[in-house]
Amino acid sequence: DAKTTQPTSMDCAEGRAANLPCNHSTISGNEYVYWYRQIHSQGPQYIIHGLKNNETNEMASLIITEDRKSSTLILPHATLRDTAVYYCIVRVANPSGTDKLIFGTGTRLQVFP
Amino acid sequence: ETGVTQSPTHLIKTRGQQVTLRCSSQSGHNTVSWYQQALGQGPQFIFQYYREEENGRGNFPPRFSGLQFPNYSSELNVNALELDDSALYLCASSPQYSYEQYFGPGTRLTVT
Repeated sequence: DAKTTQPTSMDCAEGRAANLPCNHSTISGNEYVYWYRQIHSQGPQYIIHGLKNNETNEMASLIITEDRKSSTLILPHATLRDTAVYYCIVRVANPSGTDKLIFGTGTRLQVFP
Repeated sequence: ETGVTQSPTHLIKTRGQQVTLRCSSQSGHNTVSWYQQALGQGPQFIFQYYREEENGRGNFPPRFSGLQFPNYSSELNVNALELDDSALYLCASSPQYSYEQYFGPGTRLTVT
């Protein structure tokens, strides 16, 4: 299973873009990069995922480098409610259909006023 | 709100006891996964159930077992509780081969 490396913590001013980096240098060609976040005392919440191309949805944008060894999650206009732990995950899917998520320790993002 | 519910919210047990945690999946989701999250750590995959059968297991001993019922709800059973079993237990439901798992709020288990 490919491992991910993320900074332990980051700060961001409210209204500014939050850029959360992730390294996954051992990612395989058919593995996706997923981002989840966990707000205090809640279950993790799916944000976005991608394989090669950059992706955008209503929550965030995902930028994946051409060699796929790293990616950046971008929250374009951070709010106080975006304060959470953000997990970068490489998805493991095997032929049996098991779809386990391998979580690291994530990045604790603190958005301040 | 993901539509995934778990019960109880909190639970205190004594070392050596047994515990059963419950999870109700989101409607139409036939796959349930269970995770253990120790304080300050990311969730760790315990096992997954698909159509009432175990469909993958993480690095957890056999005293962690589970069930999935015809309505796709699920139970996690832990026997011979140890102090290190104190954690937040999360269940997540999804359609098979889905790219997204929907997590419940978790059950906080404390073993004393």
